[in-house]
Parts: sequence; structure tokens; C-alpha cells
Amino acid sequence: GAGVSQSPSNKVTEKGKDVELRCDPISGHTALYWYRQSLGQGLEFLIYFQGNSAPDKSGLPSDRFSAERTGGSVSTLTIQRTQQEDSAVYLCASSFPSGTETQYFGPGTRLLVL
Amino acid sequence: GESVGLHLPTLSVQEGDNSIINCAYSNSASDYFIWYKQESGKGPQFIIDIRSNMDKRQGQRVTVLLNKTVKHLSLQIAATQPGDSAVYFCAESLHGNNRLAFGKGNQVVVIP
Repeated sequence: GAGVSQSPSNKVTEKGKDVELRCDPISGHTALYWYRQSLGQGLEFLIYFQGNSAPDKSGLPSDRFSAERTGGSVSTLTIQRTQQEDSAVYLCASSFPSGTETQYFGPGTRLLVL
Repeated sequence: GESVGLHLPTLSVQEGDNSIINCAYSNSASDYFIWYKQESGKGPQFIIDIRSNMDKRQGQRVTVLLNKTVKHLSLQIAATQPGDSAVYFCAESLHGNNRLAFGKGNQVVVIP
């Protein structure tokens, strides 16, 4: 079956613009995660959705970052007023409900803020 | 030696040899551990996981060892192949909290 998909694969934007990144999880996975990976670094947790529960937003670095998940499936990560330090690869992962923590990752969106 | 540019620890291994990648984790309460492989330009790919009630788990050509006493995790790859060249990340999580905390990664370079 299809894995986690993300779009766009690459995004170049100007400082101060807003961007939206999309994640389509594996069918049947109710848990969805966003991570950020800066060049040559490990992954930094951003936000976690589980079913209809309130999301865990504790990893969002500032109030310019927000995410939503509509209908328990597709998720959008929005970065407002982008800054150069937002340049990174944004990775989405999904998994079955809590108790099985294996997270399967998408290919990521490479964001470059000029 | 260290890889300049990526600033990641680098393991160079001859094709056919065994590789051992080490990881020190931070939270003694973590009870789930996982190894991912990341090739250039791709997302992390699941390799193998282990829970804290085990100290060893084997997969196909890979073995994960967990030493909770010293908070150490290792990944062993048998008969390393060129396709094993990648960055390898360990990650940990605490039961009931699905967020994964990742290490910084280790670059493996397989020499044909």
C-alpha cells in the first residue's frame, strides 16, 4: 500500500511569506506527527495528533507555527511570516494508535527561506 | 573519523564486514527504542525496534542491543552492503508519550 506522502517536495519562499506543507498519512493510521530536521541534524519533534484528542503542540518553536488535521487524515503545517532559520526539512510520520509506536515517515518537504 | 560538513560521526566499513553503530540515550525512564536509516534526500526508514523489557532483538542482518544500566543502544549490521550507506538515527520514547526523541545520527560509509 501507499506510504506517507508529503507535498510539496521542495519549497522556496521569501522571508516574511507564509507557507503550507501537506501530509497524507498511511490509511488507517490515526496518529500523525510532524518533525523538523535542520541540515546534518537529528529530528526535532513539533506536534502530534492522535484521533480526535487535542494535539500535543509542545514542540512548536513559536506561535508562527501551527498545524491542523482535518477529518482525522490529511494534515497541514503552516508557518507564518517565515524566517531564514525556518529553513529545514519538515518530515511527517504516521502510526497506528498508541501502544504501537512504530512511526513511518514520509519523504519530507525541503523548505528554503531566502 | 568525523565527517567535515555534516559534523556527524562517520563509520567507514569494508563491504562484507560487520558494522556496529552506537547510541547513548538520555532518559532512563524511556521504554521504547528504535533505529532508523536515512538515505540522502529521503525520509527516515524504520529498521528495528526494541522495548525495555528486552536486551537484544534480531532482524534480517540487523541486531539491536540495549544496555539499560549505562543507557546505551547499539545496532549491528551483518555483512554490510553498499546499500547500507546512510545516516543511522536512534530514537527513544516514553510509554504513553509517542513523541520520539532522536539522537544526532551516525554516517555509515560502505567501501566496495
